[in-house]
Amino acid sequence: GEDVEQSLFLSVREGDSSVINCTYTDSSSTYLYWYKQEPGAGLQLLTYIFSNMDMKQDQRLTVLLNKKDKHLSLRIADTQTGDSAIYFCAEGSGNTGKLIFGQGTTLQVKP
Amino acid sequence: NAGVTQTPKFQVLKTGQSMTLQCAQDMNHEYMSWYRQDPGMGLRLIHYSVGAGITDQGEVPNGYNVSRSTTEDFPLRLLSAAPSQTSVYFCASSHWEAGANVLTFGAGSRLTVL
Repeated sequence: GEDVEQSLFLSVREGDSSVINCTYTDSSSTYLYWYKQEPGAGLQLLTYIFSNMDMKQDQRLTVLLNKKDKHLSLRIADTQTGDSAIYFCAEGSGNTGKLIFGQGTTLQVKP
Repeated sequence: NAGVTQTPKFQVLKTGQSMTLQCAQDMNHEYMSWYRQDPGMGLRLIHYSVGAGITDQGEVPNGYNVSRSTTEDFPLRLLSAAPSQTSVYFCASSHWEAGANVLTFGAGSRLTVL
């Protein structure tokens, strides 16, 4: 079945770049998503990328997609303490709209 | 504009009790879904609905029922609570954006089953 895997924890210094990685198994995924969850809150959409794209940039965020290897990454430039949160990647099927989420990566930003 | 509203925020149940988690959205979204979040397991889809009167099962539907009588509401029912259902539950409504299913989540409902 579909599966999405992420590493559980990443620690960086304020001002550095953060790279959060994700792998997925469903080759029919049409969209891949990144969500952010702050403590005690629901998830918020950060960005998404269509499976035919290699890269998408949105201000400090850069998403890279290697469809051959089924690998997705989220790069956050100039990471700030306010970026500390759990980041989830998800794959989506165009037919059903169902999203399958990874376990989430906790990003810790040290001042 | 309230978005997605979940109630209650916290609930403690005893094994065997039943309850309903409420979810309401005011964005006129057709698509709604329920997820549970457990440590180290991310979010897992319980049930979803593509519109009023239509529901379908997700990854972990056992022990849960849903109905969708209106576009706005999508309640999740636990018929006989078990300790394994201790979790944080998230409701989401979503809209289609150029083929992407963009979810808006509620703030979550933390359920403890003793």
